Amino acid sequence: TQLLEQSPQFLSIQEGENLTVYCNSSSVFSSLQWYRQEPGEGPVLLVTVVTGGEVKKLKRLTFQFGDARKDSSLHITADKKDNTGIYLCAGDTSGSRLTFGEGTQLTVNP
Amino acid sequence: DTAVSQTPKYLVTQMGNDKSIKCEQNLGHDTMYWYKQDSKKFLKIMFSYNNKELIINETVPNRFSPKSPDKAHLNLHINSLELGDSAVYFCASSQVSRGEAFFGQGTRLTVV
Repeated sequence: TQLLEQSPQFLSIQEGENLTVYCNSSSVFSSLQWYRQEPGEGPVLLVTVVTGGEVKKLKRLTFQFGDARKDSSLHITADKKDNTGIYLCAGDTSGSRLTFGEGTQLTVNP
Repeated sequence: DTAVSQTPKYLVTQMGNDKSIKCEQNLGHDTMYWYKQDSKKFLKIMFSYNNKELIINETVPNRFSPKSPDKAHLNLHINSLELGDSAVYFCASSQVSRGEAFFGQGTRLTVV
């Protein structure tokens, strides 16, 4: 079984703070996706990274795929309350499935 | 116009009952999934169908039986419900079996 480990599992910060969420595996993925899940909703895709070393930006979110395509990070700058939610990474594995990490529950306090 | 819709949103039932959750997608996707999200928010795949054919069946008790009457629908029937079945169940679909997944709003199942 290919596992994705996310850290931290829980994070509570104040508005304006920066944070980084990590997603690590011992397996190589052909691509990796990041989703955000708001309370009472299903996960929604934020970005897909495909190339080792790739960096993508989405407003205040910066996503990086590791050179070896085994890990990824999500950095959020000057966080705002509307970023509260669960952040999930998902790796594209063989066998026609997405394997999800355990998720990072982020709470941004005013 | 909702892309992936599942019903009901909430389901409270007694142990031993049989219940079904329905899912429909209007995105024209070939692949549909059922995921279970436990109290720790861990999202785990249960089943995957591609064009009405079962392609993934994780280690799920056989009390859970998916049915796909056509590629736009994937329903989940659960027999003899147990307390441990309480969770949020998500339906999802994707264009290719490993592409971006679009999720429904989830069905919060509570077994009492």
